[in-house]
Amino acid sequence: DGGITQSPKYLFRKEGQNVTLSCEQNLNHDAMYWYRQDPGQGLRLIYYSQIVNDFQKGDIAEGYSVSREKKESFPLTVTSAQKNPTAFYLCASRAGPASYEQYFGPGTRLTVT
Amino acid sequence: EDKVVQSPLSLVVHEGDTVTLNCSYEVTNFRSLLWYKQEKKAPTFLFMLTSSGIEKKSGRLSSILDKKELFSILNITATQTGDSAIYLCAVNYGGSQGNLIFGKGTKLSVKP
Repeated sequence: DGGITQSPKYLFRKEGQNVTLSCEQNLNHDAMYWYRQDPGQGLRLIYYSQIVNDFQKGDIAEGYSVSREKKESFPLTVTSAQKNPTAFYLCASRAGPASYEQYFGPGTRLTVT
Repeated sequence: EDKVVQSPLSLVVHEGDTVTLNCSYEVTNFRSLLWYKQEKKAPTFLFMLTSSGIEKKSGRLSSILDKKELFSILNITATQTGDSAIYLCAVNYGGSQGNLIFGKGTKLSVKP
């Protein structure tokens, strides 16, 4: 089955700890995205990557980091510098420059206490 | 500043009702407008609109874009409890990077 997988589904961490969220796709899509969703806020772009070994900051990149070493994988690290990390995180991918549709993974709900 | 505004933010209807969800936008270099349905987890793609006045339809859902007035509507006829979800509107803007700017969503609740 082709698709986007995110793991884990739920993640609990103590304040001050870094945590890495996984995102894998087997759609052979070029571009990948990370969004954060808070209640009543819609989706906000954290980071995106158009090709392997290249990525750009989105609107709310502070306190986050990413890597894109393989086309299929785009992990997101939530660092201790992120002031309010508790949120629902969604990963998405897009086929390429001629395609506007983004397809989403099931999300990871991160709770930091 | 680029923005996408959806209204209403929340809506409660009864099964069988028809609803209209609104999405207005102000973005530079508009390319397309997309509608997604989000139930509990991943938003699922509904429609993409690029041209004014051409209705896209899928079953009981339909959508249309007005590029002159900068808005789109999503209609759902004969609503069912399974239509309960958050409906997200997003606009693709700028160059070929394909980035989307999302509205805050409309939470639709359909009561039996």
